[in-house]
Amino acid sequence: GAGVSQSPSNKVTEKGKDVELRCDPISGHTALYWYRQSLGQGLEFLIYFQGNSAPDKSGLPSDRFSAERTGGSVSTLTIQRTQQEDSAVYLCASSLGGLWGNHQETQYFGPGTRLLVL
Amino acid sequence: GQQLNQSPQSMFIQEGEDVSMNCTSSSIFNTWLWYKQDPGEGPVLLIALYKAGELTSNGRLTAQFGITRKDSFLNISASIPSDVGIYFCAGQLVDTNAGKSTFGDGTTLTVKP
Repeated sequence: GAGVSQSPSNKVTEKGKDVELRCDPISGHTALYWYRQSLGQGLEFLIYFQGNSAPDKSGLPSDRFSAERTGGSVSTLTIQRTQQEDSAVYLCASSLGGLWGNHQETQYFGPGTRLLVL
Repeated sequence: GQQLNQSPQSMFIQEGEDVSMNCTSSSIFNTWLWYKQDPGEGPVLLIALYKAGELTSNGRLTAQFGITRKDSFLNISASIPSDVGIYFCAGQLVDTNAGKSTFGDGTTLTVKP
């Protein structure tokens, strides 16, 4: 497709279960970002990929969170042993990648996955 | 870590009125971004600012990168009903963590016809 897609769009799970969230970036975009948005809050940075490597994982809130990217394209964010405080909208964004001069490229966001942990 | 204070938290205005919102930071950024988010959608970039003092317009939107590099404002002139949504500011330190944006908590705009 033309834009960033994410699946599932909604996920309801029970506390303690593992969940996997998927992001398909725009074709040709080498940079991929995961953010978390809690109700009424701004976006919280989680992790950034350049190609298949993650130069910045500083935003992952705990070791229950992990992400991988294969083939320089699709990324999966995994949350193990989910807790109720993990409930949020998880947003993925992609950009062409790298820096041109002093300018950062535009990040294009997907519609998000709404996660509810009961 | 860096924090952004965005204000106001919400605004209720009449169609045709002008709107102003701003963000301040405890530390400097070298890129400021303004996004709009509609319900059920991801944020969409409205304006990007790359230099201190820069003033940029996009239609009815005008944004400025503060001289101190610690603040930015967004103005919307002659508001219309489709301006309704949540507006976010975001700052980046491009030379340290490429792509990592720090977001404000958003300004929810309601426009009454």
